[in-house]
Amino acid sequence: QVQLQQSGAELVKPGTSVKLSCKASGYTFTSNHMNWIKQTTGQGLEWIGIINPGSGGTSYNVKFKGKATLTVDKSSSTAFMQLSSLTPEDSAVYYCARGPSFDYWGQGVMVTVSS
Amino acid sequence: DIVMTQAPLSVSVTPGESASISCRSSKSLLHSNGITYVYWYLQKPGKSPQLLIYRMSNLASGVPDRFSGSGSETDFTLKISRVEAEDVGIYYCGQLLENPRTFGGGTKLELK
Repeated sequence: QVQLQQSGAELVKPGTSVKLSCKASGYTFTSNHMNWIKQTTGQGLEWIGIINPGSGGTSYNVKFKGKATLTVDKSSSTAFMQLSSLTPEDSAVYYCARGPSFDYWGQGVMVTVSS
Repeated sequence: DIVMTQAPLSVSVTPGESASISCRSSKSLLHSNGITYVYWYLQKPGKSPQLLIYRMSNLASGVPDRFSGSGSETDFTLKISRVEAEDVGIYYCGQLLENPRTFGGGTKLELK
């Protein structure tokens, strides 16, 4: 069965970076794009961007360009998202979701940015 | 960006009765290929969102046929017949026509 297993919760300091992972199983990793979504109480669901694991090609929401960097490791069927120059506004739950329909979602990872 | 607007913000339903949730997009979601790219998701309490309906009216795998989706190019409806306790949560519509993908603000379904 398709599963997306995300890394654990992060408590990070402002100004630093964090790299989140999403390990896929149960399907051919390179056959489906991977999306990343941010969820906050105030802003709801925000689409960050999408990566094609086969080619490494990416497309970002303009709002997150420079904030998020999407990569993959095909050998381990894992997608990554690095968030840089973190501020308290980056505190949220982040999901990976298989594209193009967001038909499977990871369990989410809470990122807390606090000094 | 395409704005997705949901109504109502919350709905309280007696088990066994039906519920409808509306979603409106700021732009037509009908592609030239004839597919309307609106999707519906349910986020149960403490869980990740799950796909319910894709391409406006297609039931996702494993989703009970109590759920149905319909609409036009910009106005969409999710209907839940015979609401059950497991249907409680927040429902989101989303557009997957163009980037950036965008979602509605959510509709919370509760039981009376």
